[in-house]
Amino acid sequence: ETGVTQTPRHLVMGMTNKKSLKCEQHLGHNAMYWYKQSAKKPLELMFVYNFKEQTENNSVPSRFSPECPNSSHLFLHLHTLQPEDSALYLCASSQGTGKNMNTEAFFGQGTRLTVV
Amino acid sequence: AQTVTQSQPEMSVQEAETVTLSCTYDTSENNYYLFWYKQPPSRQMILVIRQEAYKQQNATENRFSVNFQKAAKSFSLKISDSQLGDTAMYFCAFMKLNTGNQFYFGTGTSLTVIP
Repeated sequence: ETGVTQTPRHLVMGMTNKKSLKCEQHLGHNAMYWYKQSAKKPLELMFVYNFKEQTENNSVPSRFSPECPNSSHLFLHLHTLQPEDSALYLCASSQGTGKNMNTEAFFGQGTRLTVV
Repeated sequence: AQTVTQSQPEMSVQEAETVTLSCTYDTSENNYYLFWYKQPPSRQMILVIRQEAYKQQNATENRFSVNFQKAAKSFSLKISDSQLGDTAMYFCAFMKLNTGNQFYFGTGTSLTVIP
């Protein structure tokens, strides 16, 4: 148990569906991340939030929409996805940004997403 | 841009033996952190060990140790006395300082410990 919880663990959705992934951390961290993990590829950083503000969007298609209502919760809203979006989506959190705020990332168990 | 390379997609080791996983990275930064993460079949990414670039001494954590060669930009992980529970994917990661905590990961090495 790393203190980062993701729901659901598994999700199957059609290309016309709208769904959301949820992430919650109980570590008092200020930075939260969404990563996409596909087979035989490096983890792809999708979004970074620091103190609820989005500080990074790595050219992610608009069919992925993040939301960070507070420092403990992070959502990833999904709509009109493609089969190639099927992957493991990992949420992570860390202490925060700036000098002397450099700790490791703590990960959730991920949501296995299948787009049919 | 930072890149992290793990050149060994799969490795295996006999139980109780020692194995070394390799990692190289490319950066123009001088200050950064390096990590090894473990991802077992349960999918939970767990930190194994971390190394601050400004420290010359190699980090150790029980059976896990690293060989950090800053000039060569190499960061290998040595697992001693391998146990069945060490079977997992291992990811090397790089983090720049002061840039919003961006982590860059390699493609991973799948390690199997053979009884």
